[in-house]
Amino acid sequence: GIQVEQSPPDLILQEGANSTLRCNFSDSVNNLQWFHQNPWGQLINLFYIPSGTKQNGRLSATTVATERYSLLYISSSQTTDSGVYFCAVVEWADGLTFGKGTHLIIQP
Amino acid sequence: NAGVTQTPKFRVLKTGQSMTLLCAQDMNHEYMYWYRQDPGMGLRLIHYSVGEGTTAKGEVPDGYNVSRLKKQNFLLGLESAAPSQTSVYFCASSSSSAQEDTQYFGPGTRLTVL
Repeated sequence: GIQVEQSPPDLILQEGANSTLRCNFSDSVNNLQWFHQNPWGQLINLFYIPSGTKQNGRLSATTVATERYSLLYISSSQTTDSGVYFCAVVEWADGLTFGKGTHLIIQP
Repeated sequence: NAGVTQTPKFRVLKTGQSMTLLCAQDMNHEYMYWYRQDPGMGLRLIHYSVGEGTTAKGEVPDGYNVSRLKKQNFLLGLESAAPSQTSVYFCASSSSSAQEDTQYFGPGTRLTVL
């Protein structure tokens, strides 16, 4: 099946720093989503981005489908950005395949 | 508009016991999904449904059964719980197929099997 690899696995930054999270996938996809899982376990939708670039406040994402990768940019990090960021793509007919995530810690 | 809700939030079972997890959505979505998340891992698809009365297997269906008798509800059953089923279970829904639309997730159910 499709492989989804995220990097880096762990990232520790100071408040105010910028970061780039990467998601590589092994086959063509029709759907790619980014999620933030907060420290309480809640999964929050960030972007639905099978291709192109989107921005939402301090967050933006770019997917280059032909090269099989997606990037999530976080600017001016805040402590509330801490948590695990997941990339997920569609492999099964109607379900998402998740990467293992990037664990982000923003220190004050 | 509550979105996707899950009942219960926490549960402890003994090996061999049975239980049912309830997922409800008020967004009139056709598609619903059950995932499990194990420590340090992303979510894995257990079963899904593309509409009322339909269900299908996902990546890790063994040991689970599901039912979708009403459009707004999706039930996940464990007939004989095993310690390997200790996990956090997430339900999700979407208005159209996973290939075309965003999935929205519930808050999760933390299940421990002793």
